[in-house]
Amino acid sequence: KQEVTQIPAALSVPEGENLVLNCSFTDSAIYNLQWFRQDPGKGLTSLLLIQSSQREQTSGRLNASLDKSSGRSTLYIAASQPGDSATYLCAVPQTGGYQKVTFGIGTKLQVIP
Amino acid sequence: DAGVIQSPRHEVTEMGQEVTLRCKPISGHNSLFWYRQTMMRGLELLIYFNNNVPIDDSGMPEDRFSAKMPNASFSTLKIQPSEPRDSAVYFCASSLSSRDYGYTFGSGTRLTVV
Repeated sequence: KQEVTQIPAALSVPEGENLVLNCSFTDSAIYNLQWFRQDPGKGLTSLLLIQSSQREQTSGRLNASLDKSSGRSTLYIAASQPGDSATYLCAVPQTGGYQKVTFGIGTKLQVIP
Repeated sequence: DAGVIQSPRHEVTEMGQEVTLRCKPISGHNSLFWYRQTMMRGLELLIYFNNNVPIDDSGMPEDRFSAKMPNASFSTLKIQPSEPRDSAVYFCASSLSSRDYGYTFGSGTRLTVV
């Protein structure tokens, strides 16, 4: 069974700082990995979907990397802003599939003005 | 596209009552997922459908929970009878059944059973 861990559980940084969020998973036979953002009381917003054949995926100030062999993905946020404050979750498919995914508990990010 | 639409946004009901949550997936998406989110357990997959057919319902906690997808544009999750421990946020998500596509989530239904 796929297990997903996100460290740290919470992070507080000053505005403008570059930061890295981590996601680790136990089974590396995955097709893709997706990062989401969740604002308090809201649904999940997809940020990036990275395929197993890709090493990186970028969208604006966000960059996600995937290292299947080590069972890790990172989400890099450049020049953080207060509007980036939210919980960030990674979603990793079950072994050999791509539809049934396991979510990490998330990293709660606070960017201080 | 309006995205994945869930209703109601909030539901407060008394223990023992029947609760029905509704979801309209994105037009053209052929996979639909029901998730439950709690502080203790995070996001848990309850059931998912491909082309309106239930594929995996192993996450449905008990027989009190049932889900249907009568057509490509509508799904329901029903709890009967409801219990206080069912209180959670229930999310619906849709996707294309392809490894090249990720999930799109609805805004969720916050269920409180008193």
